[in-house]
Amino acid sequence: QVQLVQSGAEVKKPGASVKVSCKASGYTFTGYYMHWVRQAPGQGLEWMGWINPNSGDTNYAQKFQGRVTMTRDTSINTAYMELNRLTSDDTAVYYCAKKQSGAAYGLDVWGQGTAVTVSS
Amino acid sequence: QSVLTQAPSVSGAPGQRVTISCTGSSSNIGAGYDVHWFQQLPGTAPKLLISGNSNRPSGVPDRFSGSKSGASASLAITGLQAEDEADYYCQSYDISLSGWVFGGGTKLTVL
Repeated sequence: QVQLVQSGAEVKKPGASVKVSCKASGYTFTGYYMHWVRQAPGQGLEWMGWINPNSGDTNYAQKFQGRVTMTRDTSINTAYMELNRLTSDDTAVYYCAKKQSGAAYGLDVWGQGTAVTVSS
Repeated sequence: QSVLTQAPSVSGAPGQRVTISCTGSSSNIGAGYDVHWFQQLPGTAPKLLISGNSNRPSGVPDRFSGSKSGASASLAITGLQAEDEADYYCQSYDISLSGWVFGGGTKLTVL
């Protein structure tokens, strides 16, 4: 079955970086864009950006430009999201989500989420 | 402050019908961009409920329906069940931000 499995929880100090992985299975990894969304404790969903696993092209939300990097390794069907210069405001659950093909379609498969805690 | 506006909460009794609205602007929903709806049960990842304004993915009960008009969209849930108690989010694309945006979410309580 189509599945996205993310890496485990992380605890980081302010100023550090975190890299979250998202391993895809059950579908053609390079055929569908991968999006990243985060959710701070008790808050709503926040879109971070996407990567085209086929080309490596990326599009980041303005808020995260200069601080986020999305990459992929097609040999192991895995996408990555790295966020730099962490602050306590980056404490959140980070999700990867696969987008259905076509402009009219949404994020149909989500990872289980990776909790990132930023604390001194 | 979310680009897409949703009421923070809504409630209804079992069996009733509720609607959740999502209000945007001329730079997102009003510009013709599609709206998607997600359901998030407590402690779980979001689940795609409605795609492309009104399309239900396989496995989503037909009690859930979506519509769009102008710069707004709505999610309707009929025959409310206790298991529908969750947070619901709308999502679209915003041309001025050049990116996807979510509504602030609506918490549905089944009385």
